[in-house]
Amino acid sequence: DGGITQSPKYLFRKEGQNVTLSCEQNLNHDAMYWYRQDPGQGLRLIYYSQIVNDFQKGDIAEGYSVSREKKESFPLTVTSAQKNPTAFYLCASSPRGGYTGNTIYFGEGSWLTVV
Amino acid sequence: AQSVSQHNHHVILSEAASLELGCNYSYGGTVNLFWYVQYPGQHLQLLLKYFSGDPLVKGIKGFEAEFIKSKFSFNLRKPSVQWSDTAEYFCAVNRGSQGNLIFGKGTKLSVKP
Repeated sequence: DGGITQSPKYLFRKEGQNVTLSCEQNLNHDAMYWYRQDPGQGLRLIYYSQIVNDFQKGDIAEGYSVSREKKESFPLTVTSAQKNPTAFYLCASSPRGGYTGNTIYFGEGSWLTVV
Repeated sequence: AQSVSQHNHHVILSEAASLELGCNYSYGGTVNLFWYVQYPGQHLQLLLKYFSGDPLVKGIKGFEAEFIKSKFSFNLRKPSVQWSDTAEYFCAVNRGSQGNLIFGKGTKLSVKP
C-alpha cells in the first residue's frame, strides 16, 4: 500500500535520552515535514525538507534534529535539549517542495512520552 | 506573520443539526486553504481544499467550505451532521513559497446521537 509510515507508534523515553522517530514514504514525494501536535495548540512545524539532502527549521526546531539522506526517509531525533518532548508527532509529505499548490498528506503519528 | 484562527474550541451538536466552523487567516497575498479532519484514533485526513476558481468547495462526506476573500475566511459547513462526524477539525493555509502549512488550533466537534 502507498503511504506514509511512522514508527514506533508509541514510545517512552527517560529524561536525558535522545530518541529517533522514523518516517518513511513510498509516494515518491519530494517534500517531507515533521509537525508536533499538542492538545489545544493545533499542529506546529518542526522541520521540513523540500528535497533530498536539504532541510529547514520550522517554527519550533529547538531541541530537534533531522536528516534527509534518502528521498523516502525523514527521521526526526528528539534530543535531551527539548524541554517538553511529550507530544504527538506527525510526519507528512507532499509531491513538490516550495510549491504553493501543495497538498500535504499525513502519517498516523507517533506518541512520545517522557518518563 | 501568517496565522490561522479557529474561533470555536469545542462544538457540541445533536445529530441532524447544521454545522458551521469558523476559520480566518491573516495573509494578504494569494492563499491556498485546507480543512483537515482527525477522527478519534486516526490520522489526519484531507477534507477539502481551495486553490482557485469557485469559492464554494465541496469535500468528502458532505462537507463544504466557502472562501470569502474580503473576510479572509474559509468556514466549513455541513447541513446535517452525523454521530460519525465526531472528530477534530483543523483549518490550514499554505505558507507562500515554502509549501508547508500553518494550522489553526483545531475545533473539536462532538455529535450526540
